[in-house]
Amino acid sequence: SAVISQKPSRDICQRGTSLTIQCQVDSQVTMMFWYRQQPGQSLTLIATANQGSEATYESGFVIDKFPISRPNLTFSTLTVSNMSPEDSSIYLCSVAGTYEQYFGPGTRLTVT
Amino acid sequence: QKEVEQNSGPLSVPEGAIASLNCTYSDRGSQSFFWYRQYSGKSPELIMFIYSNGDKEDGRFTAQLNKASQYVSLLIRDSQPSDSATYLCAVNMDSNYQLIWGAGTKLIIKP
Repeated sequence: SAVISQKPSRDICQRGTSLTIQCQVDSQVTMMFWYRQQPGQSLTLIATANQGSEATYESGFVIDKFPISRPNLTFSTLTVSNMSPEDSSIYLCSVAGTYEQYFGPGTRLTVT
Repeated sequence: QKEVEQNSGPLSVPEGAIASLNCTYSDRGSQSFFWYRQYSGKSPELIMFIYSNGDKEDGRFTAQLNKASQYVSLLIRDSQPSDSATYLCAVNMDSNYQLIWGAGTKLIIKP
């Protein structure tokens, strides 16, 4: 399986600001996913990011709030824009294998 | 609405016993089924996958799939305290590589 890293691992941000989360993979992958996981809850898919095309967002998530870049087959970023305390969560990137997914270590975001 | 359902627990099992975790799914055409383990404060880790009806064993773990009844289960034999975690069931219901996730079952192994 791929080795996936995320930066930052955690951050505390003020409301109204933006944070960009980076996801780096040690091998080329076609599909990457961004998830949010709130405390005690399961995973919620934010968007699917394919290289060379715009990200596909799930219902309830919009590009203005969560812009995603996928400049190459090993890297992606997710920006959380104009943050509010409701955005406090763990943000996870994952990559697709055959049909399974492998996850990065996550970014724990706290918005004050 | 494509759904995957799990009992949220917590499921408490004595050390050394068999832990049985269950998951049902809504889409009869689903083809791929996955179990992930998530320790508190960590990201999900793939522990088992199954594609065909029947049982699949890997060490102390056995995944069971019954497509007719639309359920998949995970058995953990000789449960250890280190097995205490939340177990997430995920199902691939179409060919776009997205997974539909259950809410997770919290498993507690009591020494």
